[in-house]
Order: sequence, then C-alpha cells, then structure tokens
Amino acid sequence: GESVGLHLPTLSVQEGDNSIINCAYSNSASDYFIWYKQESGKGPQFIIDIRSNMDKRQGQRVTVLLNKTVKHLSLQIAATQPGDSAVYFCAENAGNMLTFGGGTRLMVKP
Amino acid sequence: DSGVTQTPKHLITATGQRVTLRCSPRSGDLSVYWYQQSLDQGLQFLIHYYNGEERAKGNILERFSAQQFPDLHSELNLSSLELGDSALYFCASSVAAGDYGYTFGSGTRLTVV
Repeated sequence: GESVGLHLPTLSVQEGDNSIINCAYSNSASDYFIWYKQESGKGPQFIIDIRSNMDKRQGQRVTVLLNKTVKHLSLQIAATQPGDSAVYFCAENAGNMLTFGGGTRLMVKP
Repeated sequence: DSGVTQTPKHLITATGQRVTLRCSPRSGDLSVYWYQQSLDQGLQFLIHYYNGEERAKGNILERFSAQQFPDLHSELNLSSLELGDSALYFCASSVAAGDYGYTFGSGTRLTVV
C-alpha cells in the first residue's frame, strides 16, 4: 500500500541553527498532513498541520512546506533549542486514519 | 497532560499470557485509534473505533482485539503473547471519524519475557 517515508533518520544540528526535516509521501489523494514531535517516554505531540490547498504554513518557530508536485513535505525549525531534541514524524490523512512515516531523530548540540 | 489517559503505563508479562490495555479518550472525542510502536520504529496503525463501532483495521494480528464501550473508553486485548509483541502501544482520540487532529496518550510499554 501507499505510505509516508522519511529521507533522513538522524539529524544533528548546533543549538541556534535552523533545522529542516524532510518527508516524502506517495498517496496523491492525501489532503492533510501533520508533523508530530515525540520526546523520549512520551506520546506524539501535535506540532503543525497543513492542508493540501496550501503550500506553506507558519507557527511559532516552525514552518511546514508542502510541495505537491514532488509529493514532499518539510518541517523547518528556526533557532533550534535543546528542547527540540526528539523524534519527528510526518503523517498523512487520505481517509479515516493517519499514516505515519518512520521518523527522524533530531539531536541538538549545545 | 494531553487528556487521553492510558493504563497501565508499564506492563511486564510472560509469553503465552493475555493482557488488556485501557484507554480513556479526551472529553468529547468519539474516535479512538490504537497504534503500536516497536523499538526505533514508526507508528503502526492497529484499529479505529468511532462511537462504539469498529471503523478501520490496520495490520492487527488475529491474537489482538479491541472494543470501545458505551462510555467511549477502549480496551486493546493482546493474547498468546510473544516476545515480538513487546512494544509501546499508543491510543489516540479525535472528535469524529475522519477528523484530522489526533491527541495521543502517553502510551503503555509492554514487555514480554
């Protein structure tokens, strides 16, 4: 079946730098995408979402970009902080459930 | 606190045994989703219930079953447990079937020895 995938399993960045986490999706029928953050020992936490009729959405220090032409989603985190260290999952909704990608681990170096 | 409550937080049991994981959705949410997360793996969808009815099934083993009760809490039953069933089991809830935002609980860590 169709699935969501990630390009980079681990991303290491310096504190204060910007981070970019990428995600590829294959289901062209997906109309909604979400980024989740999962810290060690916790459940996934909603970060930001975007609908397929948009190509960019900004939140506090985070921006999600959607490129439907190449079926690509990215999460940009500005001025990355130690508290941003976590695993980040993208998810797509093409029906009644979310399908999650494999996750990218973000490590922030002080 | 996300508002989704999962119990127990940790569970250690022997192979061949049966366990029940419990989830109370966020107040007002009618949909409950169960996901399995193995070590360093993504979230694998197991099953979805909406207002007491099963709506979708993922890669859920026949040894596993779930239900949603009239008070909307849900239970995931795992039987004839194997070592490979050791994982984190997450419950998520949303307002309606097809509703887009999921709120996750903190999970139950199951260890089968």
